[in-house]
Amino acid sequence: AQKITQTQPGMFVQEKEAVTLDCTYDTSDPSYGLFWYKQPSSGEMIFLIYQGSYDQQNATEGRYSLNFQKARKSANLVISASQLGDSAMYFCAMSPATGNQFYFGTGTSLTVIP
Amino acid sequence: GAVVSQHPSRVICKSGTSVKIECRSLDFQATTMFWYRQFPKQSLMLMATSNEGSKATYEQGVEKDKFLINHASLTLSTLTVTSAHPEDSSFYICSARILDNQPQHFGDGTRLSIL
Repeated sequence: AQKITQTQPGMFVQEKEAVTLDCTYDTSDPSYGLFWYKQPSSGEMIFLIYQGSYDQQNATEGRYSLNFQKARKSANLVISASQLGDSAMYFCAMSPATGNQFYFGTGTSLTVIP
Repeated sequence: GAVVSQHPSRVICKSGTSVKIECRSLDFQATTMFWYRQFPKQSLMLMATSNEGSKATYEQGVEKDKFLINHASLTLSTLTVTSAHPEDSSFYICSARILDNQPQHFGDGTRLSIL
């Protein structure tokens, strides 16, 4: 069964605007972590932000914030003040609290338009 | 912190050659390392999970005799593509993490091209 769903294969945003990348997940584990990664065209996977399932507050890291809605099982990434360098693939991922499983979504390609 | 080094970054070789890719955690000890394969415009496909000192756990459909994984220490895992053929051409990327439920930290990946 699909664990992570990213429904937006491609997104465009104007430079300096904010953009939301959607991610929903499916799990029966009571404790888990949610992650977002950025993959530029050069290929490396860059860790952006982490949200624990028991965290009360939404995670933020600079221009990145995670809109975590546990009841809806969604973990959308919000990028504020988009920059040209934000153009990349973005992957949402989830990992149960224990064990080696780590599930990736299919990714969203973000293009920032000058 | 949490730097993972992977090399080589690019390999071009003839069909039938065996290719070894190294993945090192530089500033932390990684109990578990992961090997992924990625086709163009697709997500990462987990090939195997590697635990230090034990045999790797391969995902269904991944040939363990074709993709040999050795996790000899807490900072080093290697993937050897044995007798590589053109269909093995792909982007291979490793990752490591310290604890369960923590982020995986990725190497920069290896682009393998088999002629």
